[in-house]
Amino acid sequence: ETGVTQSPTHLIKTRGQQVTLRCSSQSGHNTVSWYQQALGQGPQFIFQYYREEENGRGNFPPRFSGLQFPNYSSELNVNALELDDSALYLCASSDRDRGSLKMEAFFGQGTRLTVV
Amino acid sequence: AQKITQTQPGMFVQEKEAVTLDCTYDTSDPSYGLFWYKQPSSGEMIFLIYQGSYDQQNATEGRYSLNFQKARKSANLVISASQLGDSAMYFCAMRDINDYKLSFGAGTTVTVRA
Repeated sequence: ETGVTQSPTHLIKTRGQQVTLRCSSQSGHNTVSWYQQALGQGPQFIFQYYREEENGRGNFPPRFSGLQFPNYSSELNVNALELDDSALYLCASSDRDRGSLKMEAFFGQGTRLTVV
Repeated sequence: AQKITQTQPGMFVQEKEAVTLDCTYDTSDPSYGLFWYKQPSSGEMIFLIYQGSYDQQNATEGRYSLNFQKARKSANLVISASQLGDSAMYFCAMRDINDYKLSFGAGTTVTVRA
């Protein structure tokens, strides 16, 4: 089975620009969650997509938006980039239909975004 | 609201020795799951071990074991026989029955010395 892959691995953007990050979920997984991890901190939940619908959102402004496609891959879009958006963005896929607390989340290697 | 606390920002351990990483959590939900992840410098989060709130026994996975003390809301990770490859950041995380997101602590950096 293929793992979770994210692209690009590194990205440098200018303040005010827009960025799109991509995530291919693991085969058989219908749920994708996005996390933001600032340097030296733990990941913070941005939002989750389950079967193409947003299903839960963390404390992030509306300029953070996303999509999930019929093949369950996902995009994270960030508009009007700010310097504080510089972080590692992690995508995690899982199979929510298993209905278990132990729904294991498989993470990608992340996209390191730098806003200058 | 969930909260995960990891009070040790960094730890050094000698190769082949055991190390305990502390994690306390706060939730009002009776049903929840606790996870430990390892994050090497490459960035990927690697799942290590899981403990359910109703599990009667402490979880073990190879060299990893979880010291679960429910009344104290504590879920410490024990790594036995440390190896150089164990040097990484370690995160404690929690999920409850009503919310499929993972809530993470701030992490503990472990450095294994030869």
